[in-house]
Amino acid sequence: GIQVEQSPPDLILQEGANSTLRCNFSDSVNNLQWFHQNPWGQLINLFYIPSGTKQNGRLSATTVATERYSLLYISSSQTTDSGVYFCAVVRIGTASKLTFGTGTRLQVTL
Amino acid sequence: DSGVTQTPKHLITATGQRVTLRCSPRSGDLSVYWYQQSLDQGLQFLIQYYNGEERAKGNILERFSAQQFPDLHSELNLSSLELGDSALYFCASSPRGRQGAGEQYFGPGTRLTVT
Repeated sequence: GIQVEQSPPDLILQEGANSTLRCNFSDSVNNLQWFHQNPWGQLINLFYIPSGTKQNGRLSATTVATERYSLLYISSSQTTDSGVYFCAVVRIGTASKLTFGTGTRLQVTL
Repeated sequence: DSGVTQTPKHLITATGQRVTLRCSPRSGDLSVYWYQQSLDQGLQFLIQYYNGEERAKGNILERFSAQQFPDLHSELNLSSLELGDSALYFCASSPRGRQGAGEQYFGPGTRLTVT
């Protein structure tokens, strides 16, 4: 099956700092999503981005499908950004199931 | 709020028992997916239904089964429960069922604890 690797596994930031999270995948995809899992366990959709660049407030994402990676940028981080960030993909030629990476655990401190 | 609802939020039960988890997809979505999140296995796909029919199967145990009803809600049945079945179970929905099924939206999850 497709492999999805996320880096870094853990990240500690001070409030106001910027960060870049990376997602590498091993095969062609037709769906890529970024999620934030908050401390209560909810999975919140951040971006649906099989290719290209999108921005939503302090967050933006870029997927370069031909090079099999995606980046999530968080600017001016806030304590509410803490949690685990997951990248998930659907490999072309398979059913619509999402394969998740192992996540990046982010802690934003005051 | 994603528009996907799941009940119950929490479930505590004993080994050997059977439980049913319920999911209602977003209005208009025809596909329902079930995922399991455990500490040792991460987030894994279990099964997908599209408009009442099973569309894809993942790492779903034989003790687990699911169905999607005519009103498109879905139920995941877990039987002969073991301690290792303790996990967070998510339901997700998307508009379509095939390749390019669209963005998946996740419900709040059901936290199952088997004692």
